[in-house]
Amino acid sequence: KAGVTQTPRYLIKTRGQQVTLSCSPISGHRSVSWYQQTPGQGLQFLFEYFSETQRNKGNFPGRFSGRQFSNSRSEMNVSTLELGDSALYLCASRPPGRSKAFFGQGTRLTVV
Amino acid sequence: DAKTTQPNSMESNEEEPVHLPCNHSTISGTDYIHWYRQLPSQGPEYVIHGLTSNVNNRMASLAIAEDRKSSTLILHRATLRDAAVYYCILRANAGGTSYGKLTFGQGTILTVHP
Repeated sequence: KAGVTQTPRYLIKTRGQQVTLSCSPISGHRSVSWYQQTPGQGLQFLFEYFSETQRNKGNFPGRFSGRQFSNSRSEMNVSTLELGDSALYLCASRPPGRSKAFFGQGTRLTVV
Repeated sequence: DAKTTQPNSMESNEEEPVHLPCNHSTISGTDYIHWYRQLPSQGPEYVIHGLTSNVNNRMASLAIAEDRKSSTLILHRATLRDAAVYYCILRANAGGTSYGKLTFGQGTILTVHP
C-alpha cells in the first residue's frame, strides 16, 4: 500500500506570495490532518478534515486554510506568505475508526 | 489539552534496552497515551499506544503506571536506526472533538552509540 504522499517536497516562495501544498492520503483513509514544524515551535496542529469537512482547527491565522476533496485528497493554502511561515508542513491520514496516524515526509517551504 | 513532560535528551548504547519516561499528571480518564517518533528528515512514525494496561508490539513496549500519571516507552534492544526524537502524546478518545488532533511536546532526543 502506498504511504501518504505530499507534493511538492521542496518549495521556495517570496514573501507576499501564496502557496498550495497537496496531500494524498493512504487509500481508504478519510481523515487528513496538517501540521507545521519549525525549530522554535516544534510540531503544531493546523487542521483536520474528514469527509470534506473541517473538523478541528489549530491556533493559526486565517492566512492558513485547507480543503479536502471527495477522494480524500487534501490541500492547504497559505496566503500572503511571511518569512516565519518557513517550515516543514506535514500531512497525516488515519483509517476509519482507528487512532493511529500515518505521516507523509512533508513539504519543506522556504520563504525568502 | 493535558500536558506531557519528557527529558530533553537521552543516550544509549547499541543493543542495550532504553527506557524513555513521560509524565502526564493531568491525564483524564479517557485519554490514551500515544508514542510517536521522528527520524531525521522524516515525518513522525507511530510507535505504540495504550490506555491502562501495558502494551507490546514489534517495535516497543509501553508500561503505564497504575495511577496513569506516568508511562515509559521501552525499546528492548536499541539499534542505530532507533536514534530519533520520541514524542509522548495524550489523545482524547473517539467521539471527542479533538480526537484527530495530536499535540506534540518537545520530545526526547535519543542518541544511540555504536
